[in-house]
Amino acid sequence: SQQGEEDPQALSIQEGENATMNCSYKTSINNLQWYRQNSGRGLVHLILIRSNEREKHSGRLRVTLDTSKKSSSLLITASRAADTASYFCATSAYGNNRLAFGKGNQVVVIP
Amino acid sequence: AAGVIQSPRHLIKEKRETATLKCYPIPRHDTVYWYQQGPGQDPQFLISFYEKMQSDKGSIPDRFSAQQFSDYHSELNMSSLELGDSALYFCASSLTGTFLSYEQYFGPGTRLTVT
Repeated sequence: SQQGEEDPQALSIQEGENATMNCSYKTSINNLQWYRQNSGRGLVHLILIRSNEREKHSGRLRVTLDTSKKSSSLLITASRAADTASYFCATSAYGNNRLAFGKGNQVVVIP
Repeated sequence: AAGVIQSPRHLIKEKRETATLKCYPIPRHDTVYWYQQGPGQDPQFLISFYEKMQSDKGSIPDRFSAQQFSDYHSELNMSSLELGDSALYFCASSLTGTFLSYEQYFGPGTRLTVT
């Protein structure tokens, strides 16, 4: 099965700094989505990047996708305490919309 | 904007009991998905429905069944509950195109505790 996998990071940063996390996957994808989850709560959709896109921005978020390396990165600029959460990437394949999630990255932003 | 609604938000059941989880997708979304997230785990796909027909099936136990109704709401039925079924159960909805796929929006989840 397809699997989005983040590098096993637990980031602890100061408010105002940038946070970068990475995700790798194993097979061809149609798109890759990033989600945020606050401790045991719902998954909040952040951004979707399609396989023919290389970079996408949304507010303080910047996502890159390198299909040749089967990897993606999520950059959060000017982090805030409210950005403290787990971040998941999830991939879907062509003709199959189920999401394959990787292990979440825990980000702690210290005020 | 309307979001995905799930009920109940919390559910406590005993072993061997049954549970029914409900999901109301975002209006005009044609696809509903169910995911299970165990403690400290990443979400795992269970099953999905497109236009009220089962469209995909993942690692869903035979004890579980699901359906989507004419008003597009979906229910996940879980029988003979086991301790290992304790988890967060998410419903998500999306539009689905022929060549494109769209964002999946998740509900707040139902936290099931089996004792």
